[in-house]
Amino acid sequence: GAVVSQHPSRVICKSGTSVKIECRSLDFQATTMFWYRQFPKQSLMLMATSNEGSKATYEQGVEKDKFLINHASLTLSTLTVTSAHPEDSSFYICSAPGGGMSYEQYFGPGTRLTVT
Amino acid sequence: AQTVTQSQPEMSVQEAETVTLSCTYDTSESNYYLFWYKQPPSRQMILVIRQEAYKQQNATENRFSVNFQKAAKSFSLKISDSQLGDTAMYFCAHYYGSARQLTFGSGTQLTVLP
Repeated sequence: GAVVSQHPSRVICKSGTSVKIECRSLDFQATTMFWYRQFPKQSLMLMATSNEGSKATYEQGVEKDKFLINHASLTLSTLTVTSAHPEDSSFYICSAPGGGMSYEQYFGPGTRLTVT
Repeated sequence: AQTVTQSQPEMSVQEAETVTLSCTYDTSESNYYLFWYKQPPSRQMILVIRQEAYKQQNATENRFSVNFQKAAKSFSLKISDSQLGDTAMYFCAHYYGSARQLTFGSGTQLTVLP
C-alpha cells in the first residue's frame, strides 16, 4: 500500500522555540493532507486540512498563527509549531487520502513533540 | 455533522477467544464508508477493515469481520481467535467523500490476555 513518512519521529524543544514537522507521501501524490493531534489514550483530533497550492483549512479552536501549515508540493506538507509551550506537547499524526476510489487514508508514523 | 460513538473504553479477551467491539455513528450522508483502525503501542495507525455503506454484505478480512446495520447506524467489529498481537487501541471511523475527512470514535483499548 501507499506509504506516508513523518520526520522527525521524536523532537524535544525548549519553550518559546519553533519546531517543524514534515509529512511526505512517498509513492503517491497528495493534493490534500490532514494533520491530527493525539493526547495519551485519546482519539485523533483533526487540526487542519492541508491543501497543495492554497491555504490550509483549520478546525474550530485551532490557532492558525501557532500551527503553521505549508503544502509546498504534491508530496510534502509541513506543520510548524511556533513559540511552543509545554501544553503543545503531544503526538502529531499526518495522513493523506489514497487516490481514486479507495477512500482509504494512509497515516504517517507520528511525531512525538515534547516542549520543556 | 458526523459523529462516531464507541461506548467501550476498555475491553479484554482471552487468547483464542472471540471479542466484539461496538460502534454507532450518526450521519446525514447517503453514501459513506466506515472503517476500523488499529493503533498498537507503536502508535502507527493500521487499517483493519472497511465497509462501503451501499454494500449490504458485511466485510470480512481473515479473523476480522463486521456487523453493519445501516438502519440502526451500527458498525461492530468481531475479532475471532484473538491473538496477543491484537492488543491495541481500536478506532471506528466514518468517511464521506465531499470532505475526504475521517471522523473518529473515542477508541476502545483491547487487551488480549495469554
